[in-house]
Amino acid sequence: AQSVTQLGSHVSVSEGALVLLRCNYSSSVPPYLFWYVQYPNQGLQLLLKYTTGATLVKGINGFEAEFKKSETSFHLTKPSAHMSDAAEYFCAVSDVKAAGNKLTFGGGTRVLVKP
Amino acid sequence: DADVTQTPRNRITKTGKRIMLECSQTKGHDRMYWYRQDPGLGLRLIYYSFDVKDINKGEISDGYSVSRQAQAKFSLSLESAIPNQTALYFCATSDLDRDTGEQYFGPGTRLTVT
Repeated sequence: AQSVTQLGSHVSVSEGALVLLRCNYSSSVPPYLFWYVQYPNQGLQLLLKYTTGATLVKGINGFEAEFKKSETSFHLTKPSAHMSDAAEYFCAVSDVKAAGNKLTFGGGTRVLVKP
Repeated sequence: DADVTQTPRNRITKTGKRIMLECSQTKGHDRMYWYRQDPGLGLRLIYYSFDVKDINKGEISDGYSVSRQAQAKFSLSLESAIPNQTALYFCATSDLDRDTGEQYFGPGTRLTVT
């Protein structure tokens, strides 16, 4: 069975500061990994994904994440936070080799950006 | 227009009532999913469907049922709603052919059971 742990349900950062959201996963097979963002009153939007190849993945809005197999981690970063980054962020893992292409989500991290 | 739509967007209902949440997609995807979101728990899978004739239970299917009326439509029903089914419900789709694992989400339905 797969699982995802996001460390910290709430993160507060100052505008212009580094954003770091932590995600650790467990999977019995090579995973596909995702970060989704949810803005208030909206659905989830894909930020970035890792499937194969380069372990440093760049996404939209200046975010990036690095897949570290030895640490079973997929932490999300952005060098300089913007007010518009205030949202909830979800890490997810998929085992596409199993039936269903199902995603298992972490509990989410809500980001507050202070002026 | 949105690729994945959900109706209603908000619903308040009473304990014991039957309620249906509807999802439609124009992406042409084969796979559709229903999730519920609860604070601190992320999204949990209720049901998923590979095509019209293939329906599967997810991790929290008790108290829910689904219907895949067409490739583009996937409905979630609560036969007898209870207060702990109060949550935000999301429909999602994915593309069998591309199969990267990426899913596309609707805007959600906020359901309150009183």
